[in-house]
Amino acid sequence: QKEVEQDPGPLSVPEGAIVSLNCTYSNSAFQYFMWYRQYSRKGPELLMYTYSSGNKEDGRFTAQVDKSSKYISLFIRDSQPSDSATYLCAMKKSGGGADGLTFGKGTHLIIQP
Amino acid sequence: DSGVTQTPKHLITATGQRVTLRCSPRSGDLSVYWYQQSLDQGLQFLIQYYNGEERAKGNILERFSAQQFPDLHSELNLSSLELGDSALYFCASSALGGLSTEAFFGQGTRLTVV
Repeated sequence: QKEVEQDPGPLSVPEGAIVSLNCTYSNSAFQYFMWYRQYSRKGPELLMYTYSSGNKEDGRFTAQVDKSSKYISLFIRDSQPSDSATYLCAMKKSGGGADGLTFGKGTHLIIQP
Repeated sequence: DSGVTQTPKHLITATGQRVTLRCSPRSGDLSVYWYQQSLDQGLQFLIQYYNGEERAKGNILERFSAQQFPDLHSELNLSSLELGDSALYFCASSALGGLSTEAFFGQGTRLTVV
């Protein structure tokens, strides 16, 4: 079982819809949770990050973390064609030690005009 | 533009060869991370350097090595290349070491091994 599971999609929704993207994870040591957006042939771009459980909102984006269920979500409101991209969840363990990010494999999102 | 510069953008080489990928981090960032992205494995953390010292190791093969120089740029060396090493290689940088959660990615180097 991979540490982070993410449905690869593709997920296709009409413009203006609310999009829900999700990841589950198995390692309870993860404390920092991030969402990256990656356009084709580009590097990942950080969208949101949260520490531990809770919600965080930034414009049309809301990130939720439920550590008890080991489940994180990203919601996109009023979706736009420009939101079409691959969305990657990423996680990092707590503590002062150095650590790279553990990524899900990404969900390919298509917003239909 | 993230401010992280990677060269070259594309690289085609033969099996058994050795290549060097280069990364210049954002101005002021001390930490450099290397990641490999392939279709089957996704984005995998390879190695991290902080201010010239190796800080963390991920799924990096023994055939691969990296270093960070005094001017903070980093190089990833891939040797005895195999077809399965074909992938996108990303460099990311952040201001701090393991405490920073915000890593900024470059545009990647696409390596094709033939």
